[in-house]
Amino acid sequence: QVQLQESGPGLVKPSETLSLTCTVSGGSINGYYWTWIRQTPGKGLEWIGHIFPSGTTTYNPSLKSRVAISVDTSKNQFSLRLTSVTAADTAVYYCARDNYGATTPYHFDFWGHGTLVTVSS
Amino acid sequence: DIQMTQSPSSLSASVGDRVSISCRASQSINTYLNWYQQKAGKAPKLLIYAASIVQTGVPSRFSGSGSGTDFTLAISSLQPEDFATYYCQQSLSTPKTFGQGTKVEL
Repeated sequence: QVQLQESGPGLVKPSETLSLTCTVSGGSINGYYWTWIRQTPGKGLEWIGHIFPSGTTTYNPSLKSRVAISVDTSKNQFSLRLTSVTAADTAVYYCARDNYGATTPYHFDFWGHGTLVTVSS
Repeated sequence: DIQMTQSPSSLSASVGDRVSISCRASQSINTYLNWYQQKAGKAPKLLIYAASIVQTGVPSRFSGSGSGTDFTLAISSLQPEDFATYYCQQSLSTPKTFGQGTKVEL
């Protein structure tokens, strides 16, 4: 059974950089897209972006200038960096696996438990 | 971006009721539509993908239908553990987008 676990600081100061890591266990990181999603009461669930183990990334245009996702296949981990954070970036951040089949579209089949990141001085 | 609109935003139901939740996409997404269930303090859980394929381990009382722009999640006989918030999500194109959620309450 694939498991994902987010880790990183729960408190980040305004204008600083939010950094989170997702560790994948119970399966290989290869062959799937790995995604960051965040959730706020106001905006609901927001797709941040994803990465393929080759390093190919796609980001949400609303965050593209501030976000970077990277992968370390040797550690079965992928990471999120979000720069110049404000209170609006306060959210629960989830990592998830984006799975697909030969005839089935992408779907998020495994999720981490989520980690609350608060932006405050 | 493709906008996803769910209705209703919330509904009250009783154990044993049949419940239907609608999701509309702002443009055709074929069957690139997934449904998730989220309970308080937990991560979303995949229920249905490709509009109508029930994820392994999900009870058969859950079903999905639709294509193009209009989709429905149905729960045939509501159980106590089904009281939760349900989200639709399109996977046709990036940025992948979610509906605002439908809360199913007692």
